[in-house]
Amino acid sequence: EVQLMESGGGLVQPGGSLRLSCSASGFTFSDYTMHWVRQAPGKGLEYVSAISNDGGSTSYADSLKGRITISRDNSENTVFLQMSRLSPEDTAVYYCVRSIIGKPFDDWGQGTLVTVSS
Amino acid sequence: EIVLTQSPGTLSLSPGQRATLSCRASQSVSSSLAWFQQIPGQAPRLLIYGASSRATGIPDRFSGSGSGADFTLTISRLEPEDFAVYYCQQYGSAPRTFGQGTRLEIK
Repeated sequence: EVQLMESGGGLVQPGGSLRLSCSASGFTFSDYTMHWVRQAPGKGLEYVSAISNDGGSTSYADSLKGRITISRDNSENTVFLQMSRLSPEDTAVYYCVRSIIGKPFDDWGQGTLVTVSS
Repeated sequence: EIVLTQSPGTLSLSPGQRATLSCRASQSVSSSLAWFQQIPGQAPRLLIYGASSRATGIPDRFSGSGSGADFTLTISRLEPEDFAVYYCQQYGSAPRTFGQGTRLEIK
């Protein structure tokens, strides 16, 4: 069974930093592109970032470039999202998602909530 | 990045009726267009990929059409469990982007 388990969310002060993790199991992690998608409370889905299966290629939403970095450790079946200079507008549930390159998303984690507030 | 615009923002219909949801891209995405359903409190679920292919386990009352920049999701006869929020997403160009969603509510 495919499992994607996000962690690292919580309460952080404005201007702070946070690193999210997504631990994967039930499939060959190194075959898949991994993505982060977020959803602010009561709002729509917002694409955040992606990293290719070997980590050699990354992409970021224009609105978040410069503040986030995606990385992965294929030996640990884990993908990370480092976020900095956080603002209340970054408050959201952050989902980890997998896909084969050029194919649609097929499995989502349950998400981890990040709350940016003083 | 490619902008997807969904319409309408909210659609009010009754069970048994037909629903038609639209998604328009700011440039061609060929057929690299997916539709997701999201029920409050849950992660999204893939319904349609490749603009018109149903994902595994999706009932045949859901159908997708279109190519290039104009796409449609049709639900032929609404069931009570279909009332949710629907998102289109293009995956042909990085970064992948979503539409803003269409809320399908019970009339």
